[in-house]
Amino acid sequence: GNSVTQMEGPVTLSEEAFLTINCTYTATGYPSLFWYVQYPGEGLQLLLKATKADDKGSNKGFEATYRKETTSFHLEKGSVQVSDSAVYFCALTPLTGGFKTIFGAGTRLFVKA
Amino acid sequence: DAGVTQSPTHLIKTRGQQVTLRCSPKSGHDTVSWYQQALGQGPQFIFQYYEEEERQRGNFPDRFSGHQFPNYSSELNVNALLLGDSALYLCASSFRIAGDNEQFFGPGTRLTVL
Repeated sequence: GNSVTQMEGPVTLSEEAFLTINCTYTATGYPSLFWYVQYPGEGLQLLLKATKADDKGSNKGFEATYRKETTSFHLEKGSVQVSDSAVYFCALTPLTGGFKTIFGAGTRLFVKA
Repeated sequence: DAGVTQSPTHLIKTRGQQVTLRCSPKSGHDTVSWYQQALGQGPQFIFQYYEEEERQRGNFPDRFSGHQFPNYSSELNVNALLLGDSALYLCASSFRIAGDNEQFFGPGTRLTVL
Protein backbone atom coordinates (compact mmCIF):
# COMPACT_ATOMS: atom_id res chain seq x y z
CA GLY A 1 0.00 0.00 0.00
CA ASN A 2 0.89 3.66 -0.02
CA SER A 3 2.89 5.06 2.87
CA VAL A 4 5.14 7.93 3.94
CA THR A 5 8.06 7.68 6.35
CA GLN A 6 9.79 10.75 7.68
CA MET A 7 12.58 11.20 10.17
CA GLU A 8 11.61 11.28 13.80
CA GLY A 9 11.97 14.46 15.75
CA PRO A 10 12.37 16.62 17.47
CA VAL A 11 15.07 18.31 15.48
CA THR A 12 16.80 21.15 17.34
CA LEU A 13 18.94 23.64 15.43
CA SER A 14 20.53 26.98 16.04
CA GLU A 15 19.44 29.95 13.96
CA GLU A 16 21.08 30.06 10.50
CA ALA A 17 21.87 26.33 10.57
CA PHE A 18 21.16 24.07 7.59
CA LEU A 19 18.02 21.96 7.77
CA THR A 20 17.29 18.58 6.25
CA ILE A 21 14.18 16.55 7.08
CA ASN A 22 14.17 13.19 5.35
CA CYS A 23 11.05 11.76 3.73
CA THR A 24 10.67 8.53 1.78
CA TYR A 25 7.53 7.07 0.31
CA THR A 26 5.98 3.90 -1.04
CA ALA A 27 3.39 4.26 -3.75
CA THR A 28 2.16 2.77 -6.99
CA GLY A 29 2.90 4.92 -9.99
CA TYR A 30 3.75 8.59 -9.69
CA PRO A 31 2.05 10.24 -6.74
CA SER A 32 2.04 13.95 -6.10
CA LEU A 33 4.26 14.85 -3.15
CA PHE A 34 3.76 17.63 -0.62
CA TRP A 35 5.29 19.24 2.44
CA TYR A 36 2.87 20.83 4.89
CA VAL A 37 3.76 22.90 7.96
CA GLN A 38 1.74 23.18 11.16
CA TYR A 39 2.44 26.07 13.52
CA PRO A 40 1.29 25.76 17.15
CA GLY A 41 -2.48 25.97 17.48
CA GLU A 42 -3.05 26.20 13.75
CA GLY A 43 -4.11 23.98 10.89
CA LEU A 44 -1.79 22.70 8.20
CA GLN A 45 -0.46 24.98 5.48
CA LEU A 46 0.97 23.81 2.20
CA LEU A 47 4.68 24.62 2.09
CA LEU A 48 5.59 23.20 -1.31
CA LYS A 49 4.69 20.44 -3.75
CA ALA A 50 6.03 18.47 -6.68
CA THR A 51 3.94 16.47 -9.11
CA LYS A 52 6.43 14.56 -11.23
CA ALA A 53 9.89 13.05 -11.05
CA ASP A 54 12.80 15.52 -10.83
CA ASP A 55 10.44 18.43 -10.06
CA LYS A 56 11.74 20.78 -7.39
CA GLY A 57 9.21 22.48 -5.16
CA SER A 58 10.31 25.63 -3.36
CA ASN A 59 8.80 28.26 -1.08
CA LYS A 60 10.06 30.64 1.64
CA GLY A 61 13.62 29.33 1.28
CA PHE A 62 12.54 25.69 1.64
CA GLU A 63 12.97 23.25 -1.21
CA ALA A 64 12.49 19.56 -1.95
CA THR A 65 13.17 17.48 -5.07
CA TYR A 66 11.00 14.57 -6.23
CA ARG A 67 13.45 11.68 -6.54
CA LYS A 68 11.77 8.65 -8.08
CA GLU A 69 14.91 6.52 -8.10
CA THR A 70 15.23 6.79 -4.31
CA THR A 71 11.49 7.37 -3.64
CA SER A 72 12.41 10.40 -1.57
CA PHE A 73 11.30 14.00 -1.10
CA HIS A 74 13.67 15.46 1.48
CA LEU A 75 12.99 18.97 2.78
CA GLU A 76 15.93 21.39 2.96
CA LYS A 77 16.57 24.98 3.96
CA GLY A 78 19.91 26.69 3.89
CA SER A 79 19.47 28.94 6.92
CA VAL A 80 16.66 28.40 9.42
CA GLN A 81 15.07 31.10 11.53
CA VAL A 82 13.36 30.95 14.92
CA SER A 83 10.07 31.53 13.11
CA ASP A 84 10.53 28.21 11.26
CA SER A 85 9.85 26.32 14.50
CA ALA A 86 6.86 24.12 13.71
CA VAL A 87 5.86 20.57 12.81
CA TYR A 88 6.55 19.54 9.22
CA PHE A 89 4.55 16.82 7.45
CA CYS A 90 5.48 15.00 4.29
CA ALA A 91 2.49 13.74 2.31
CA LEU A 92 1.54 12.01 -0.92
CA THR A 93 -1.60 11.81 -3.00
CA PRO A 94 -1.69 8.77 -5.25
CA LEU A 95 -3.05 9.20 -8.75
CA THR A 96 -4.67 5.77 -8.83
CA GLY A 97 -7.15 4.11 -6.52
CA GLY A 98 -8.62 7.38 -5.33
CA PHE A 99 -7.08 10.65 -4.23
CA LYS A 100 -6.58 9.80 -0.56
CA THR A 101 -3.77 11.93 0.80
CA ILE A 102 -1.43 10.06 3.14
CA PHE A 103 0.66 11.93 5.69
CA GLY A 104 3.82 11.03 7.51
CA ALA A 105 3.92 11.22 11.30
CA GLY A 106 5.46 14.69 11.29
CA THR A 107 8.82 16.09 12.40
CA ARG A 108 8.95 18.79 15.04
CA LEU A 109 11.59 21.46 14.47
CA PHE A 110 12.88 23.73 17.22
CA VAL A 111 15.13 26.62 16.20
CA LYS A 112 17.09 28.37 18.96
CA ALA A 113 18.16 32.00 18.75
CA ASP B 1 -11.54 36.06 1.58
CA ALA B 2 -12.32 33.69 4.42
CA GLY B 3 -10.33 30.51 4.46
CA VAL B 4 -11.61 27.19 5.73
CA THR B 5 -13.60 27.58 8.91
CA GLN B 6 -14.56 24.90 11.41
CA SER B 7 -16.85 24.79 14.39
CA PRO B 8 -16.77 24.30 17.24
CA THR B 9 -13.16 24.90 18.24
CA HIS B 10 -13.26 22.53 21.17
CA LEU B 11 -15.73 19.88 22.26
CA ILE B 12 -15.94 17.54 25.24
CA LYS B 13 -18.16 14.46 25.07
CA THR B 14 -18.56 11.24 27.01
CA ARG B 15 -18.31 7.70 25.69
CA GLY B 16 -21.35 6.56 23.75
CA GLN B 17 -22.47 10.04 22.79
CA GLN B 18 -22.75 11.39 19.28
CA VAL B 19 -21.02 14.47 17.87
CA THR B 20 -21.37 16.68 14.79
CA LEU B 21 -18.53 18.82 13.51
CA ARG B 22 -18.96 21.48 10.84
CA CYS B 23 -16.79 22.87 8.09
CA SER B 24 -17.14 25.70 5.58
CA PRO B 25 -14.73 25.48 2.65
CA LYS B 26 -12.64 28.26 1.22
CA SER B 27 -14.52 30.45 -1.22
CA GLY B 28 -14.49 28.88 -4.68
CA HIS B 29 -13.79 25.36 -3.43
CA ASP B 30 -16.22 22.51 -3.95
CA THR B 31 -14.46 19.51 -2.41
CA VAL B 32 -14.15 18.81 1.30
CA SER B 33 -11.98 16.18 2.99
CA TRP B 34 -11.93 15.25 6.66
CA TYR B 35 -8.92 14.05 8.62
CA GLN B 36 -8.34 12.76 12.14
CA GLN B 37 -5.09 13.83 13.78
CA ALA B 38 -4.22 12.02 17.01
CA LEU B 39 -1.75 13.71 19.33
CA GLY B 40 1.76 13.53 17.94
CA GLN B 41 0.63 11.87 14.71
CA GLY B 42 0.01 12.89 11.14
CA PRO B 43 -3.52 13.41 9.85
CA GLN B 44 -5.40 10.26 8.81
CA PHE B 45 -7.82 10.52 5.89
CA ILE B 46 -11.44 9.84 6.90
CA PHE B 47 -13.42 10.66 3.74
CA GLN B 48 -13.92 13.15 0.94
CA TYR B 49 -17.08 14.80 -0.37
CA TYR B 50 -17.69 16.22 -3.81
CA GLU B 51 -21.03 17.12 -5.39
CA GLU B 52 -22.75 16.12 -2.14
CA GLU B 53 -21.53 12.53 -2.37
CA GLU B 54 -18.86 10.62 -0.49
CA ARG B 55 -16.20 9.96 -3.12
CA GLN B 56 -13.38 8.36 -1.16
CA ARG B 57 -13.15 6.77 2.27
CA GLY B 58 -10.24 5.83 4.49
CA ASN B 59 -10.06 3.02 7.02
CA PHE B 60 -12.63 4.32 9.45
CA PRO B 61 -15.70 2.46 10.76
CA ASP B 62 -19.27 3.27 9.80
CA ARG B 63 -19.63 5.21 13.06
CA PHE B 64 -18.00 8.01 11.08
CA SER B 65 -20.37 9.53 8.56
CA GLY B 66 -20.65 12.79 6.76
CA HIS B 67 -22.67 15.05 4.60
CA GLN B 68 -22.08 17.83 2.11
CA PHE B 69 -24.63 20.54 1.50
CA PRO B 70 -25.45 22.39 -1.75
CA ASN B 71 -23.35 25.36 -0.57
CA TYR B 72 -20.36 22.93 -0.30
CA SER B 73 -20.19 23.08 3.49
CA SER B 74 -19.86 19.76 5.23
CA GLU B 75 -20.54 17.92 8.48
CA LEU B 76 -18.73 15.06 10.12
CA ASN B 77 -20.79 12.88 12.45
CA VAL B 78 -19.37 10.36 14.86
CA ASN B 79 -21.71 7.99 16.69
CA ALA B 80 -21.11 5.86 19.78
CA LEU B 81 -17.98 7.77 20.74
CA LEU B 82 -14.98 5.87 22.05
CA LEU B 83 -12.09 7.19 24.11
CA GLY B 84 -9.87 6.57 21.08
CA ASP B 85 -11.88 9.09 19.05
CA SER B 86 -10.24 11.90 21.02
CA ALA B 87 -8.25 13.84 18.43
CA LEU B 88 -8.01 17.00 16.36
CA TYR B 89 -10.40 16.78 13.43
CA LEU B 90 -9.26 18.72 10.39
CA CYS B 91 -11.30 19.77 7.42
CA ALA B 92 -9.58 20.55 4.13
CA SER B 93 -11.05 22.04 0.98
CA SER B 94 -9.91 22.08 -2.62
CA PHE B 95 -11.23 22.79 -6.09
CA ARG B 96 -12.35 19.60 -7.81
CA ILE B 97 -10.80 16.25 -7.13
CA ALA B 98 -7.29 15.92 -8.49
CA GLY B 99 -4.14 14.35 -7.19
CA ASP B 100 -2.03 17.49 -7.44
CA ASN B 101 -4.57 19.90 -6.02
CA GLU B 102 -3.55 21.94 -3.02
CA GLN B 103 -5.73 21.41 0.00
CA PHE B 104 -6.44 24.29 2.36
CA PHE B 105 -6.88 23.25 5.97
CA GLY B 106 -9.02 24.70 8.70
CA PRO B 107 -7.75 25.16 12.26
CA GLY B 108 -9.50 21.99 13.39
CA THR B 109 -11.91 20.92 16.11
CA ARG B 110 -10.34 19.42 19.21
CA LEU B 111 -12.59 16.58 20.41
CA THR B 112 -12.08 15.11 23.86
CA VAL B 113 -13.99 11.96 24.81
CA LEU B 114 -14.17 11.21 28.53
